[in-house]
Amino acid sequence: DAKTTQPPSMDCAEGRAANLPCNHSTISGNEYVYWYRQIHSQGPQYIIHGLKNNETNEMASLIITEDRKSSTLILPHATLRDTAVYYCIVRVASGNTGKLIFGQGTTLQVKP
Amino acid sequence: ETGVTQTPRHLVMGMTNKKSLKCEQHLGHNAMYWYKQSAKKPLELMFVYNFKEQTENNSVPSRFSPECPNSSHLFLHLHTLQPEDSALYLCASSQDYTGNTEAFFGQGTRLTVV
Repeated sequence: DAKTTQPPSMDCAEGRAANLPCNHSTISGNEYVYWYRQIHSQGPQYIIHGLKNNETNEMASLIITEDRKSSTLILPHATLRDTAVYYCIVRVASGNTGKLIFGQGTTLQVKP
Repeated sequence: ETGVTQTPRHLVMGMTNKKSLKCEQHLGHNAMYWYKQSAKKPLELMFVYNFKEQTENNSVPSRFSPECPNSSHLFLHLHTLQPEDSALYLCASSQDYTGNTEAFFGQGTRLTVV
């Protein structure tokens, strides 16, 4: 499985956009980029995923570079409730092997 | 509310006890997963069931025994656990076991082995 690299921690001011980077330089053509977050001691929450194109939903936007070697999760207006560990994961799209493997993630601290 | 329900939410058990964790999903999904999260560590994938068949077992010790009687229910049977097995156990489900289907997680069972 392709591995991802994320900064261990980031701060963001409340009301500002939070931009969380992720490097996945060994990603294969059939692997999706997924983002989850985990608020302390709760189950991970699905945020968004994409293959090649940029994606947007009610929670966030996902920007994937043209070479697919990196991506950025954007929370447009961060609130204190967005403080969490954010995980960037690559997941194979074909066959019967869609493992969802979590790394260390980025701890985002949203500050007033 | 994700549609994935885990019970109990908290469990304390002795090393000689036998207990079971239960996971139920109301999403019509066909793949279900068990993860373990020890303190300050990433989630570790333990087992995957796809259409009730076990497709992944990541070298999990035999004191953990999964059971998937149907696509909506997943159990994790526990026996003769060790204190280091204390962790948050998370269940997840997805439509299938391919890469383009998001997985939804339950709130987990906080297990303490004494």
